Amino acid sequence: EPEVTQTPSHQVTQMGQEVILRCVPISNHLYFYWYRQILGQKVEFLVSFYNNEISEKSEIFDDQFSVERPDGSNFTLKIRSTKLEDSAMYFCASSLARRDEKLFFGSGTQLSVL
Amino acid sequence: GENVEQHPSTLSVQEGDSAVIKCTYSDSASNYFPWYKQELGKGPQLIIDIRSNVGEKKDQRIAVTLNKTAKHFSLHITETQPEDSAVYFCAASQNQFYFGTGTSLTVIP
Repeated sequence: EPEVTQTPSHQVTQMGQEVILRCVPISNHLYFYWYRQILGQKVEFLVSFYNNEISEKSEIFDDQFSVERPDGSNFTLKIRSTKLEDSAMYFCASSLARRDEKLFFGSGTQLSVL
Repeated sequence: GENVEQHPSTLSVQEGDSAVIKCTYSDSASNYFPWYKQELGKGPQLIIDIRSNVGEKKDQRIAVTLNKTAKHFSLHITETQPEDSAVYFCAASQNQFYFGTGTSLTVIP
């Protein structure tokens, strides 16, 4: 069964450093998403991406965040200057079509900012 | 914006018993309600979903009910098994998904 894959599974970084989280969505999916989950809290929407551009973003997704689809398979989330409060589990997700709305999640990247 | 509340936060049942998890939502425009199961070390996996034009949907031991008037929906798992132990998330969506806080279900053999 096709799945969304994320790397790395764990990332430890120093405050102020840049991190890039990587995702390979399901190959025929057209919509891509990043969510995050701070320990003990809700899964929160960050950004959606379609046709090589951001289609929606939340208040969390400020200028420190950016997304990119550098090639036909990868989808990345970059945090330019990490803060302690960026520590969370980051999930990538993809869906075939917006109206389909069935989201398929990766297993996540646990980001720890020290 | 939408606000999804989920109860209980933890639930323990004996193997073979039923488990019920309830969610409420605030935005009447939400029209899609998926349920996700998250096992340790894995991402959320869609287990069942329901759209606003349907009141109930069943898939083997799992069922979801939706009451649009009351703005609540529930997940029902019958004949629970130890492998059902996981964290379950509900969500409500119109154009964007809003998740509940999750329910940690433990099925005791």
